[in-house]
Amino acid sequence: GDSVTQMEGPVTLSEEAFLTINCTYTATGYPSLFWYVQYPGEGLQLLLKATKADDKGSNKGFEATYRKETTSFHLEKGSVQVSDSAVYFCALKGGSNYKLTFGKGTLLTVNP
Amino acid sequence: ETGVTQSPTHLIKTRGQQVTLRCSSQSGHNTVSWYQQALGQGPQFIFQYYREEENGRGNFPPRFSGLQFPNYSSELNVNALELDDSALYLCASSLDLQGSYGYTFGSGTRLTVV
Repeated sequence: GDSVTQMEGPVTLSEEAFLTINCTYTATGYPSLFWYVQYPGEGLQLLLKATKADDKGSNKGFEATYRKETTSFHLEKGSVQVSDSAVYFCALKGGSNYKLTFGKGTLLTVNP
Repeated sequence: ETGVTQSPTHLIKTRGQQVTLRCSSQSGHNTVSWYQQALGQGPQFIFQYYREEENGRGNFPPRFSGLQFPNYSSELNVNALELDDSALYLCASSLDLQGSYGYTFGSGTRLTVV
């Protein structure tokens, strides 16, 4: 079945540091890929998405590129801020599927 | 437009009891999905409702059941609560069955079973 593996946290960075959170997936067909963010006490918010190979999703300075050859969708940001502190989830939705399959999440803490 | 509203935000139940969680979908959204997020884990799909019928189900036992109402709001019912049912329960609504336009998540209900 579908599965998502993302790097385990927690990740602690200083403000303005470069961020990478690795995500790889296993799926049949051509899934859509997502990054969601969860701030303390809140639900999930869509950060970015990509629906086909080589697509780059981007939002709020975050980027991720859908790499079919390596089955990866790594999240990057060039300069993190304290306000980026949250849990980040990589997720996929199979081509003919109706559900999201999530990774375990990565806690990011950014210190001033 | 209003987002997805879940109630209650927190509750504590005793093992063996039954619980009902509620979700109001975003305006115009006809599909509701429920997810269970255990502490330190990613959300796990429970089931989805479309036009008042269960459309798909994850790997959860029958004591997890649901309803969807004509106004597209939904309930999640859990019978015979177990300690492992302690989790954050998330509701997500979408414009269509496939989630073609994305999903809107609520803030969740934190259930603690003691």
